[in-house]
Amino acid sequence: KNEVEQSPQNLTAQEGEFITINCSYSVGISALHWLQQHPGGGIVSLFMLSSGKKKHGRLIATINIQEKHSSLHITASHPRDSAVYICAVLPEETSGSRLTFGEGTQLTVNP
Amino acid sequence: EPEVTQTPSHQVTQMGQEVILRCVPISNHLYFYWYRQILGQKVEFLVSFYNNEISEKSEIFDDQFSVERPDGSNFTLKIRSTKLEDSAMYFCASNQGRSGNTIYFGEGSWLTVV
Repeated sequence: KNEVEQSPQNLTAQEGEFITINCSYSVGISALHWLQQHPGGGIVSLFMLSSGKKKHGRLIATINIQEKHSSLHITASHPRDSAVYICAVLPEETSGSRLTFGEGTQLTVNP
Repeated sequence: EPEVTQTPSHQVTQMGQEVILRCVPISNHLYFYWYRQILGQKVEFLVSFYNNEISEKSEIFDDQFSVERPDGSNFTLKIRSTKLEDSAMYFCASNQGRSGNTIYFGEGSWLTVV
């Protein structure tokens, strides 16, 4: 079983729709990252969370430490949001900073 | 916005050849990382580097791999004798601290071993 599970694997939406991507993990963590991978392959950090909720523009990320679950929401989605969204966790047990990644969610937003 | 830069963006090499991938992390960052992503798979940790030494490495990072910071700005990953299965996108990353800081990734170096 993967330590980090994301759902859905693929998501297609119409422009303007509200989008939710979910991430569940099975280990205790120090932090959780939401990342965006562009079609060209580059990775950009969107959020780093250890508790609660963060908002940046149309993006909102929440985490529930007790339930080992995080969600990434996109409000008023736009075609430029089309990308792979990746959840990655920093397990408590690691002495360093090795992130463990989920498989990613491929989001396509159609105009 | 500060950024991590990687070169080359794409390299094709013959099996058995040595490859060096280069990275310039963000200047005030202290932790440096290499990750890789085989086509169609998830990103995997290779190695972390702090205070001029490896702080952690994965089971993937065997004797064929090495890292160094030769001049205080560049951070390199060397693959001594490449295998077909080393074909992947290699990402360099850096951050200021271990767990409490945003991690910044480079655009990646796509390595194709033929």
